[in-house]
Amino acid sequence: GAVVSQHPSWVICKSGTSVKIECRSLDFQATTMFWYRQFPKQSLMLMATSNEGSKATYEQGVEKDKFLINHASLTLSTLTVTSAHPEDSSFYICSADQKTDSYEQYFGPGTRLTVT
Amino acid sequence: GEDVEQSLFLSVREGDSSVINCTYTDSSSTYLYWYKQEPGAGLQLLTYIFSNMDMKQDQRLTVLLNKKDKHLSLRIADTQTGDSAIYFCAEISGTYKYIFGTGTRLKVLA
Repeated sequence: GAVVSQHPSWVICKSGTSVKIECRSLDFQATTMFWYRQFPKQSLMLMATSNEGSKATYEQGVEKDKFLINHASLTLSTLTVTSAHPEDSSFYICSADQKTDSYEQYFGPGTRLTVT
Repeated sequence: GEDVEQSLFLSVREGDSSVINCTYTDSSSTYLYWYKQEPGAGLQLLTYIFSNMDMKQDQRLTVLLNKKDKHLSLRIADTQTGDSAIYFCAEISGTYKYIFGTGTRLKVLA
């Protein structure tokens, strides 16, 4: 149980285009999902908390107009990188909170975005 | 702010024990977690410990928690080559967000 998927696993896009990444909880409902960014050989940086049916909460320094998050259902959150630039190239990982007493988060396999 | 600190690298021989250390920041964290990340993959939850516990054992994994020193460790017994990965500790903030450690790259030598 507690499986989270992401799609696509990798994507290459041109500068100026937009890319949508999907995060799905496959066997549980997730009212809260999280989006992280990871640079090579570094730790995970929380970008935003995605709440089903309401607006995402962004961390300080993360542009909400650039990284659009939609959590339209209890099993799906999407992250859209708008007007992508090469500096947006990174590994994006989502996680879902199964709302257990121990607040475990279950992570997707990640999406590698390369902007050319 | 303070970082959740981990040593960057650890190298052990196959069959030996590995001990990965973590110094966290928030003494009020209720749970602390250990995750494993293999190259190009997401994070896999290995184990977690509640803050009122000193130790938790789960098969080859032993977690020790020293709340006074805000120190957490993960011991992997009989380390195998498949254990080679990056290990992250994480604490949970008051707003239920994770704060990850800097990560320890474990290399297991055959």
